[in-house]
Parts: sequence; C-alpha cells; structure tokens
Amino acid sequence: DQQVKQNSPSLSVQEGRISILNCDYTNSMFDYFLWYKKYPAEGPTFLISISSIKDKNEDGRFTVFLNKSAKHLSLHIVPSQPGDSAVYFCAAPPLYNTDKLIFGTGTRLQVFP
Amino acid sequence: DTAVSQTPKYLVTQMGNDKSIKCEQNLGHDTMYWYKQDSKKFLKIMFSYNNKELIINETVPNRFSPKSPDKAHLNLHINSLELGDSAVYFCASSRGQNNSPLHFGNGTRLTVT
Repeated sequence: DQQVKQNSPSLSVQEGRISILNCDYTNSMFDYFLWYKKYPAEGPTFLISISSIKDKNEDGRFTVFLNKSAKHLSLHIVPSQPGDSAVYFCAAPPLYNTDKLIFGTGTRLQVFP
Repeated sequence: DTAVSQTPKYLVTQMGNDKSIKCEQNLGHDTMYWYKQDSKKFLKIMFSYNNKELIINETVPNRFSPKSPDKAHLNLHINSLELGDSAVYFCASSRGQNNSPLHFGNGTRLTVT
C-alpha cells in the first residue's frame, strides 16, 4: 500500500536546464508535503515543503507545485546545477503528524555539464 | 559538530547475533526516530520517542528494542539478527512540533550474513 509514489526512478538533465521531479499520492487526507534530498552515504536533508492551502511554494531555485485535484506534486529546479545530483524523496505526514512521514521511493537526479 | 550522529556507519554480522546502533543529536530536539530503508529503497518509520517516551512503534518485531537514556540519545538494539534485517537504518530528530522537518543522521548500513 504505497501512499506516496515517485514513478520515475531516475532523471538526467543538462546543467542550466529545468529539472522536474514528480510525486503522486493516494490519500486525500494528506495536507502537507515535503521534499528531501539525499546524497550517497548521507542521510536525507529537508529541502522544501508545501501546505495544501497553497498550490506553489518557492525557495530560490526550488519550487514545489501542488495539484490537489490530481493528487500530484512536482519539484522544479531551475537552473539545475551539477551539485543538485542526488536522490530526491517526496514525503507526506498523515494528518499533520510529521512523526510518521510516509516517503516515496525517490528519484535519482543526475545533472550533467 | 554533526547534528545527528549515528555509529557505526557499517555493521556486518552473522545471523543470530545481537547488535546495537547508537544515535545522538545535539540540536536540542525533543523527538527522535529510527527509520529503515530496505533493499527496495522504501524509507519507513520504525519508532519515535519524545522526551524518552515511546510514541510510535510501527509494528516492528520485538527483536528490535529502542532505548532512550535521555532525550539526546536513541539507541537501537537488535536481537537474533535475521537476513531480512539487512538494510540502512537512519536515526533522525525533530522539534516534535507540527510539520517541523526531520534531521537525519548519515545512516548505518547493516549486513547480516
């Protein structure tokens, strides 16, 4: 029962272009979403979040879009940089309880020069 | 001055052994967690503690016993290790308030042979 899905295991993007990472969820009760970034041999680090009362949240080169009717969110990185190469996890807590984050399986982003 | 540190980084052991993983955070957070990332890359919560008190036990076999001597430490002891316990175990902490992000350690890769 995978409530948070990232259907693209990998993505390759040229430096300077836009990276779009997608995430779908099945539980309509989710009302807060987070993106984490993970480098090899390190733990995930928090990147950006969005509440369901918004449809967009921006932080520098990172923007997250939320489409509640489609139960879909996406992370846009523009311009992409080689240092952005990492695995990106989408996550959601059930009913404002971040103690129990439900993670997607991640998308490995590779940004090449 | 690592925020969430866990030891050891790698742990190779035989079936049937008992092992422990230690975790310490210096962020002053009230809540600590153990997450498990299995071979399919699913990252799932195992336990959470708030001020040394168990909050979440996510149907983990009782061979796994977390111990929190104080709110800055949450150790994980595993008895009678099985092949299926092989995974990467991540410790994390948070302020424990609604939607406060988790801060993860760098993980312990456990291999049971």
